[in-house]
Amino acid sequence: DTGVSQDPRHKITKRGQNVTFRCDPISEHNRLYWYRQTLGQGPEFLTYFQNEAQLEKSRLLSDRFSAERPKGSFSTLEIQRTEQGDSAMYLCASSPTKGGDTQYFGPGTRLTVL
Amino acid sequence: DQQVKQNSPSLSVQEGRISILNCDYTNSMFDYFLWYKKYPAEGPTFLISISSIKDKNEDGRFTVFLNKSAKHLSLHIVPSQPGDSAVYFCAASADNQGGKLIFGQGTELSVKP
Repeated sequence: DTGVSQDPRHKITKRGQNVTFRCDPISEHNRLYWYRQTLGQGPEFLTYFQNEAQLEKSRLLSDRFSAERPKGSFSTLEIQRTEQGDSAMYLCASSPTKGGDTQYFGPGTRLTVL
Repeated sequence: DQQVKQNSPSLSVQEGRISILNCDYTNSMFDYFLWYKKYPAEGPTFLISISSIKDKNEDGRFTVFLNKSAKHLSLHIVPSQPGDSAVYFCAASADNQGGKLIFGQGTELSVKP
């Protein structure tokens, strides 16, 4: 049973650099979500995909953030010109069909911007 | 605008006793509610869920209760075990809002032997 995987698990970068994270969802799941979690808070929604279509983006997702899911399978989240405020845990989740189905989370990518 | 609230940041319980974690929400469009357990440096692990058409769902030691009129849900863990020590998040979603999860701030449960 392969769950949601994320790569890398940890990323340390200098302010101003670009970073890219990858998420591989559970294979039969066609919805994929990205969340961000900072210390002491619950995860916050960033964006989600139904197959390859990006259906919603949170206002938290500034112009420096972009996400793709080119073939409806894995997804990437890119942050350009990173800032110290981008330091957080970035979580990916997938679910089988429509809203209301349980989302299963990956282990997350911990980003530290120096 | 905090649509999902967990007002207790922490809870300490003796092993074998009941743990009760509470969650309140404001958005009446939410129709699906979930509880996740999280350890540091890991992603949330799904525990149990409940649809808005039900008022109770049980899975082993875990029971979730939903009171729609009060916009309140709770997670009961009986009996509590030291391995249950973690941060617990409640989350809610609305089918007409893409199913994105809105999370509470979390409650850190400590089960003491």
